[in-house]
Amino acid sequence: EADIYQTPRYLVIGTGKKITLECSQTMGHDKMYWYQQDPGMELHLIHYSYGVNSTEKGDLSSESTVSRIRTEHFPLTLESARPSHTSQYLCASSEYIQGAKNIQYFGAGTRLSVL
Amino acid sequence: RKEVEQDPGPFNVPEGATVAFNCTYSNSASQSFFWYRQDCRKEPKLLMSVYSSGNEDGRFTAQLNRASQYISLLIRDSKLSDSATYLCVVNTGGGNKLTFGTGTQLKVEL
Repeated sequence: EADIYQTPRYLVIGTGKKITLECSQTMGHDKMYWYQQDPGMELHLIHYSYGVNSTEKGDLSSESTVSRIRTEHFPLTLESARPSHTSQYLCASSEYIQGAKNIQYFGAGTRLSVL
Repeated sequence: RKEVEQDPGPFNVPEGATVAFNCTYSNSASQSFFWYRQDCRKEPKLLMSVYSSGNEDGRFTAQLNRASQYISLLIRDSKLSDSATYLCVVNTGGGNKLTFGTGTQLKVEL
């Protein structure tokens, strides 16, 4: 079992609120990722980090921001939530091993509903 | 054209059946390939990596055809518990980003 945790699991919030989705892993993985997934659709990478103080935008444009101050922690923030942000947000991490496959381990996800 | 394409299904099969899924990828530089399983409203979990020579894990067999750029997953003697969405996943280039297919939904019935 992967040791990667996301909180909250479910969040229902009003438009305009600032929210932070938490993601923590205890495996010491360098690389962490945030994906967005709508029901029945594929995962889209929105942010990733290759280590402390490293953050990059993913393939899908997102109004969210991330930070990586500690190896184990990779929070995602929405400054002003809108109904279009309603989705499931999945956090993942992976370990860098020279020449090895990049296997990503996922948290249980945060299901966000913006009213 | 999507980077990773899968038939979304659903595939409805009786218990005990053998079922095969295919997946095609567009980038010939892709280096690593995986099958993940995602249960309804749950996170994806690694089912198996796909090796060039093909590999088997119990009832599951994965194959890679680099020339035709497709990956397959074969499930033998399917169980009710195999009902899930199977995601084809490709690691392209030297980075650590994965590209996920939309998934193929499998429903195993009595």
